[in-house]
Amino acid sequence: GNSVTQMEGPVTLSEEAFLTINCTYTATGYPSLFWYVQYPGEGLQLLLKATKADDKGSNKGFEATYRKETTSFHLEKGSVQVSDSAVYFCALSGFTGGGNKLTFGTGTQLKVEL
Amino acid sequence: DAGVIQSPRHEVTEMGQEVTLRCKPISGHDYLFWYRQTMMRGLELLIYFNNNVPIDDSGMPEDRFSAKMPNASFSTLKIQPSEPRDSAVYFCASTSSPPMVSTGELFFGEGSRLTVL
Repeated sequence: GNSVTQMEGPVTLSEEAFLTINCTYTATGYPSLFWYVQYPGEGLQLLLKATKADDKGSNKGFEATYRKETTSFHLEKGSVQVSDSAVYFCALSGFTGGGNKLTFGTGTQLKVEL
Repeated sequence: DAGVIQSPRHEVTEMGQEVTLRCKPISGHDYLFWYRQTMMRGLELLIYFNNNVPIDDSGMPEDRFSAKMPNASFSTLKIQPSEPRDSAVYFCASTSSPPMVSTGELFFGEGSRLTVL
């Protein structure tokens, strides 16, 4: 079945540092890929997405490129802020046991300090 | 516009008690999902509905869990009897796009944090 693997956290960075959160996936066919973000005490919300190979999703300074050859969708941001502190989830949309649905990674907590 | 509304936000109960979690999806969304989030297992899909009909309940852990959607604006997730290992945050999400549509986006509620003592 489909699966998503993310780097474990927490990731702790200083403000204005460069961020990379690794995500790799296993899926049949051609899934769509997503990054969701969960701020403290809130539900998940979509951050960015990519629907086909070589697509780059971007939003709020974050970006990720759909790499089919390496089955990866790493999240990057050039300069993080304290307000970016949250849990980030990589996810894919595709067919798996029981039908088409979103499969989430376990999440990576990001802490940004002054 | 109102988002997905869940209640209660927090629930503390004792083992063996019945727990009912509630969800109101965004108006016009015909897909509704129930997820469970724990530190150990991350985010797990329990069940999802399309037009009030359960489509995939393969993630429901056992018979103690049941979910219903009596109409387009309301769903419940019930645990009876509850056990300490059910302690988790339960999220409801809705969307107007089928999961198989690649641009589909889920809209999540703020979650119901359940603690079973």
